[in-house]
Amino acid sequence: GAGVSQSPSNKVTEKGKDVELRCDPISGHTALYWYRQSLGQGLEFLIYFQGNSAPDKSGLPSDRFSAERTGGSVSTLTIQRTQQEDSAVYLCASSLEWGVGKTQYFGPGTRLLVL
Amino acid sequence: QKEVEQDPGPLSVPEGAIVSLNCTYSNSAFQYFMWYRQYSRKGPELLMYTYSSGNKEDGRFTAQVDKSSKYISLFIRDSQPSDSATYLCAMSARAAGNKLTFGGGTRVLVKP
Repeated sequence: GAGVSQSPSNKVTEKGKDVELRCDPISGHTALYWYRQSLGQGLEFLIYFQGNSAPDKSGLPSDRFSAERTGGSVSTLTIQRTQQEDSAVYLCASSLEWGVGKTQYFGPGTRLLVL
Repeated sequence: QKEVEQDPGPLSVPEGAIVSLNCTYSNSAFQYFMWYRQYSRKGPELLMYTYSSGNKEDGRFTAQVDKSSKYISLFIRDSQPSDSATYLCAMSARAAGNKLTFGGGTRVLVKP
């Protein structure tokens, strides 16, 4: 069956531009997560969704970052006025439901480079 | 200091050797412990999942958790070149639900 998919695979942008990253979770998975993986910081939690709502936005690095999920499926992570320190791999994961111990399945990531 | 510490490696071993990986952590609330494997330019995939202290074995993989020492380990027996990857430990606390805190990852290279 289809796993978590993310697009684009790679994105190169200029400092100050806005970018949108897309995540398609596994069909039927109600929980969706965004992480960021960078050389200096490892894998960091950004935000999660239960259905279409995001109860915990504490991991978002600044107010330039926002995310939404529609129809309980596709999610978009938006970074406004990108900075060079935003360069990283952005990973999306989904799980059948929210709750401790529920297995998270990761997508391949979007590699973002801000010049 | 990070909540979860993991030696970045690289750890190079000959084929057939035992690979030993570990993480230390500071948050005593962590109860759920996972090991993920990540190949280059791929997303992490779950290898092992353990709740609280103890050992768990799955094929060539053994995970150990020592909550008293805040120390977890992963052992890979009879290592193969296909085991060459980055291994990430992750953990979560009941109060945090499914929000995972990851170690930085250890890069492993198994030489034929």
